[in-house]
Amino acid sequence: AQTVTQSQPEMSVQEAETVTLSCTYDTSENNYYLFWYKQPPSRQMILVIRQEAYKQQNATENRFSVNFQKAAKSFSLKISDSQLGDTAMYFCAWNRDDKIIFGKGTRLHILP
Amino acid sequence: GAGVSQSPRYKVAKRGQDVALRCDPISGHVSLFWYQQALGQGPEFLTYFQNEAQLDKSGLPSDRFFAERPEGSVSTLKIQRTQQEDSAVYLCASRIGGANYEQYFGPGTRLTVT
Repeated sequence: AQTVTQSQPEMSVQEAETVTLSCTYDTSENNYYLFWYKQPPSRQMILVIRQEAYKQQNATENRFSVNFQKAAKSFSLKISDSQLGDTAMYFCAWNRDDKIIFGKGTRLHILP
Repeated sequence: GAGVSQSPRYKVAKRGQDVALRCDPISGHVSLFWYQQALGQGPEFLTYFQNEAQLDKSGLPSDRFFAERPEGSVSTLKIQRTQQEDSAVYLCASRIGGANYEQYFGPGTRLTVT
């Protein structure tokens, strides 16, 4: 089965701290994309960062970076200098063609 | 420019009623997707259109679910004889081209079946 596992249902960190969200996935494909999406209470799903599986270099977007370990099928998200606006559900996901497979999410609370 | 819009934002239906959920994709986006997100879960794929062609409907949970995109733009997800287990947020996404492009999501429709 092609699945995505997020082992941390909920996390809380103090503002300005760094936090890492874990994700593992299972696929037999060789070329695919990996994503982290943010879903605030408004329900709008927002793409945070994307990684192409054939690229060894870890993707970075401002305060957000990933640690992509293809052999281990691990794709963690690091948020540096966390801000109150980062409070949301975070979903790890992957797709090869047209179907995005999502994990169950990690609820992240940034505390003032 | 305008993003993906969905209507209604909230829908309450009595069990057994039919409902229709609308998605307006970003103008010019070829591909359109529907996902179902149950409470406390991640979204699950329902179906996918390329223009007006429904290329994948493998995620539709039963034959009570039907989706269409007759002119390759607006799409409607119809659920017949709603059941309580249909209660969820239904998300629509659109994409300008192939799989290497980003899917842009709408705000979703929250369906509650009583």
